[in-house]
Amino acid sequence: AQSVTQLGSHVSVSEGALVLLRCNYSSSVPPYLFWYVQYPNQGLQLLLKYTSAATLVKGINGFEAEFKKSETSFHLTKPSAHMSDAAEYFCAVTRNSGNTPLVFGKGTRLSVIA
Amino acid sequence: GAVVSQHPSWVICKSGTSVKIECRSLDFQATTMFWYRQFPKQSLMLMATSNEGSKATYEQGVEKDKFLINHASLTLSTLTVTSAHPEDSSFYICSALDVGGRGNEQFFGPGTRLTVL
Repeated sequence: AQSVTQLGSHVSVSEGALVLLRCNYSSSVPPYLFWYVQYPNQGLQLLLKYTSAATLVKGINGFEAEFKKSETSFHLTKPSAHMSDAAEYFCAVTRNSGNTPLVFGKGTRLSVIA
Repeated sequence: GAVVSQHPSWVICKSGTSVKIECRSLDFQATTMFWYRQFPKQSLMLMATSNEGSKATYEQGVEKDKFLINHASLTLSTLTVTSAHPEDSSFYICSALDVGGRGNEQFFGPGTRLTVL
């Protein structure tokens, strides 16, 4: 079975500060890992994904995440927060083969303070 | 590319009526689509896996007779909430898996907000 744990249901940062959203995964097989962003009343937008290639993954809007197998982590970072980054962020995991669904973490709400 | 649409984007219905939600992959074929449900301020919970040409696979605790899923073509899956009740009010999101295999990436629809009065 696969699972994802997002530490912190709510993270608040100042505009221009570092954003760090934590995600730890559990998987008995090599995982595919994803970060999605959701704005109010909207669907999910893919930020970035890890699919067993480079461990440091760069995504859209200046976000990046590093896959660390030894720590079973896939934390999301952005060097400088922007007001428009305020949203809900979901980490998700799936198997690397087959038509398997995503398993989502509970989400982290990011607030950016001016 | 890789666009998924949902229709309607929001719907309000009376208790006891049925509501059909459509999920379409617009520029790719999807043998597999997933239906998720999201309650306010919560995460997405998988309801069922929809496979083209076969019966859907439902997650534990999801009533298959209440949430009817039909995946009649490679670009369309429908979710029908039968005899809807206020507790069925939620945000329903579908996703589609590209048969071309984009690293097992699912493409999400914009969601459908269902409110049952």
